[in-house]
Amino acid sequence: AQTVTQSQPEMSVQEAETVTLSCTYDTSESDYYLFWYKQPPSRQMILVIRQEAYKQQNATENRFSVNFQKAAKSFSLKISDSQLGDAAMYFCAYRSRTGNQFYFGTGTSLTVIP
Amino acid sequence: EPEVTQTPSHQVTQMGQEVILRCVPISNHLYFYWYRQILGQKVEFLVSFYNNEISEKSEIFDDQFSVERPDGSNFTLKIRSTKLEDSAMYFCASSADRLPNYGYTFGSGTRLTVV
Repeated sequence: AQTVTQSQPEMSVQEAETVTLSCTYDTSESDYYLFWYKQPPSRQMILVIRQEAYKQQNATENRFSVNFQKAAKSFSLKISDSQLGDAAMYFCAYRSRTGNQFYFGTGTSLTVIP
Repeated sequence: EPEVTQTPSHQVTQMGQEVILRCVPISNHLYFYWYRQILGQKVEFLVSFYNNEISEKSEIFDDQFSVERPDGSNFTLKIRSTKLEDSAMYFCASSADRLPNYGYTFGSGTRLTVV
């Protein structure tokens, strides 16, 4: 079974600074999707960014970007110019190309310090 | 932007009681899911539902769980006889496609506390 590991239960960052959240995963599949979800205090999980495993290029969405290292099975999220609204729990998730079940990590709680 | 709505936001129930968690998926979505997150642990898949039947379920989804789409808009999760270990945040999600490239749309969750 696929496993997703987030080794940082908590992280903090100064407003306007950059922070990187780590995620590793284990799979025997070659084609899959990786996601970062954000869960703010309002609790609704919001998709932040996704990466398709067959694409070499790292995904970018405005201030959010990923560092996808397929051989190392690593998928980190970089948040640039951190804002107070970025404070949330961040979940890394894996989904195989052919399955509709997500596998989540345990999450990283991000605090943004004014 | 369309949302998945879950009610109630918090439910407290006594051990052994039946509980129904409600979800209103996005109106044109066809695939529906329940996940749960025990405090401090991973978000775990429970079940997926399509065309009025379960398409996939996890080991967690045993005989005490059931799902239903009773009226074409609501999607419910029933726990027949709650146990203390059922205390968790339960998330509903929906998608338009079976293999959504852009992931699901999740609701805000229902926190279930079994006492």
